[in-house]
Amino acid sequence: DGGITQSPKYLFRKEGQNVTLSCEQNLNHDAMYWYRQDPGQGLRLIYYSQIVNDFQKGDIAEGYSVSREKKESFPLTVTSAQKNPTAFYLCASSIGDRAHEQYFGPGTRLTVT
Amino acid sequence: GDSVTQMEGPVTLSEEAFLTINCTYTATGYPSLFWYVQYPGEGLQLLLKATKADDKGSNKGFEATYRKETTSFHLEKGSVQVSDSAVYFCALSRAAGNKLTFGGGTRVLVKP
Repeated sequence: DGGITQSPKYLFRKEGQNVTLSCEQNLNHDAMYWYRQDPGQGLRLIYYSQIVNDFQKGDIAEGYSVSREKKESFPLTVTSAQKNPTAFYLCASSIGDRAHEQYFGPGTRLTVT
Repeated sequence: GDSVTQMEGPVTLSEEAFLTINCTYTATGYPSLFWYVQYPGEGLQLLLKATKADDKGSNKGFEATYRKETTSFHLEKGSVQVSDSAVYFCALSRAAGNKLTFGGGTRVLVKP
């Protein structure tokens, strides 16, 4: 079955450590996105990538980094510079010319203590 | 900039009740409008969409009509089920852009 995979579902880290969240898609989609979801605040765009080896900052990119070395993969690193990293992180993808119709993965809940 | 405002939840209903979730937007031009649904512990799923004024999106018994004059895209369902318990997000996208702007989400709880 085609879809988006995020792993792990739950992730725990100590403050000061970098952590990388995985996102893989086998939908052959060109574009991929990372969102952060906090209670009552909806989704906020962190980074997005329209094509391999290219990505752009979203609305809240500070403290995060990404790479897009393969079409299928768009890992997100939450660095120690991110002041409030505890959140639910959602990855999405879309066909290049239908970028407004995004398909979402199941999410990773990151807890930093 | 673009923004989406939805009614705050939680909305608690009994099974078979009528559901309305209000959504209004601010955007220049003619954005496309969407409703996404998030079931507990899962990612978001596209529920329905409308791409131009007066279009009605519908899916799984849910409907929403793109009202340009009131900049609204209210979600309705005539008879909810317990399985409709979820968080519902209204969103917009510029036709030529690649960003979705989301509202804050509305949690709906349907009791048997």
